[in-house]
Amino acid sequence: DIQMTQSPSSLSASVGDRVTITCRASQAINNYLAWYQQKPGKVPKLLIYTASTLQSGVPSRFSGSGSGTDFTLTISSLQPEDVATYYCQNYNSAPLTFGPGTKVDIK
Amino acid sequence: QVQLVQSGAEVKKPGASVKVSCKASGYTFTSYDINWVRQATGQGLEWMGWMNPNNGNAGYAQKFQGRVAMTRNTSISTAYMELSSLTSEDTAVYYCARVISQRAGYVGYWGQGTLVTVSS
Repeated sequence: DIQMTQSPSSLSASVGDRVTITCRASQAINNYLAWYQQKPGKVPKLLIYTASTLQSGVPSRFSGSGSGTDFTLTISSLQPEDVATYYCQNYNSAPLTFGPGTKVDIK
Repeated sequence: QVQLVQSGAEVKKPGASVKVSCKASGYTFTSYDINWVRQATGQGLEWMGWMNPNNGNAGYAQKFQGRVAMTRNTSISTAYMELSSLTSEDTAVYYCARVISQRAGYVGYWGQGTLVTVSS
């Protein structure tokens, strides 16, 4: 099975800061990598798929990059409404494992 | 619009089974896979498996093999996830989620979640 790791597990940043979250797969996943945002008490929301394609309606301050095994989610200017936990997910092959999550809050 | 409406919260005793339903509307039910994901309180997302509503084929995470079944009733556009031999570690919110595209496995539509509590 492909294992997904994320770093950091949590971070605190100021409004307007650039925030970067890293996701690593234990083997190459052909860019079949999605990012989800889950706000407290809410259902997860798809942000990015195929590693870098922004889902419709998602603010352009979110971006994704990477290939093979190493991927990055970037928030170019952190906003208060971005407080959430962010998960990456491999969908290259079953099991479609999620990373453990990165909790983002405002300093 | 696409909607997935799940059944209500359940309380079960250890060793029992639970069956969660997920009623789809706003699209052709048989055209898109349904995934099931669970989340224990304060924990991360855990993928359980997928089901193709068109042919009933399903695939499960190894962790759940032998005690999970994902089925559907196409006449009422409803998917089901049944989990047996419950323990306290199965206490979680269970989500159904639909793929965005049948050509890709990422999900873009989620049910509201069903809390399953396992307690003696």
